[in-house]
Amino acid sequence: GQNIDQPTEMTATEGAIVQINCTYQTSGFNGLFWYQQHAGEAPTFLSYNVLDGLEEKGRFSSFLSRSKGYSYLLLKELQMKDSASYLCAVKADSWGKLQFGAGTQVVVTP
Amino acid sequence: DADVTQTPRNRITKTGKRIMLECSQTKGHDRMYWYRQDPGLGLQLIYYSFDVKDINKGEISDGYSVSRQAQAKFSLSLESAIPNQTALYFCATSDQTLAGGQDTQYFGPGTRLTVL
Repeated sequence: GQNIDQPTEMTATEGAIVQINCTYQTSGFNGLFWYQQHAGEAPTFLSYNVLDGLEEKGRFSSFLSRSKGYSYLLLKELQMKDSASYLCAVKADSWGKLQFGAGTQVVVTP
Repeated sequence: DADVTQTPRNRITKTGKRIMLECSQTKGHDRMYWYRQDPGLGLQLIYYSFDVKDINKGEISDGYSVSRQAQAKFSLSLESAIPNQTALYFCATSDQTLAGGQDTQYFGPGTRLTVL
């Protein structure tokens, strides 16, 4: 079956760095996405990795190791507005369908 | 204006009623999806459609049906609503023609459905 695991909740201080890990076991792999979702709102696209390595986009970076079935999302210089749930999703086949993890709730404190 | 819209945004209904949730998009994407989200669970795929003539079941299609009326419109129906269908429902779209096959999904604002 498909399995995507990420921590339920993480707390960090404003200005700090937080790393959200995601491990996956899927029947195939055609890319991994990270989405941000504020409470009651739509998920919004953050990053995409299909090859091993680090992708950097401003304060957010995402890393992928396909051999380890592992990714992380790194949030730097945390701001209060970064308090949200972060969803890891794997495209297991070439047809565009995504398998989502349950999400990691990040709480940023002053 | 929003690229992906959903109506209604909130709905309260009773067990046994038929409900339709609608999704429209102006992104020109061929692919459309319906998901439900329950607290503590990931997004679960209900149905997806890769073009107007293509409809496919997702992980949890029982109790739901869909209609792809046009490239821009994809509706989700609950034929006889039950309380465990209370959830947040999201529509999403993606464009298979993007280079590299990234096929990023873009989500609508969601419909909060409560079945009493």
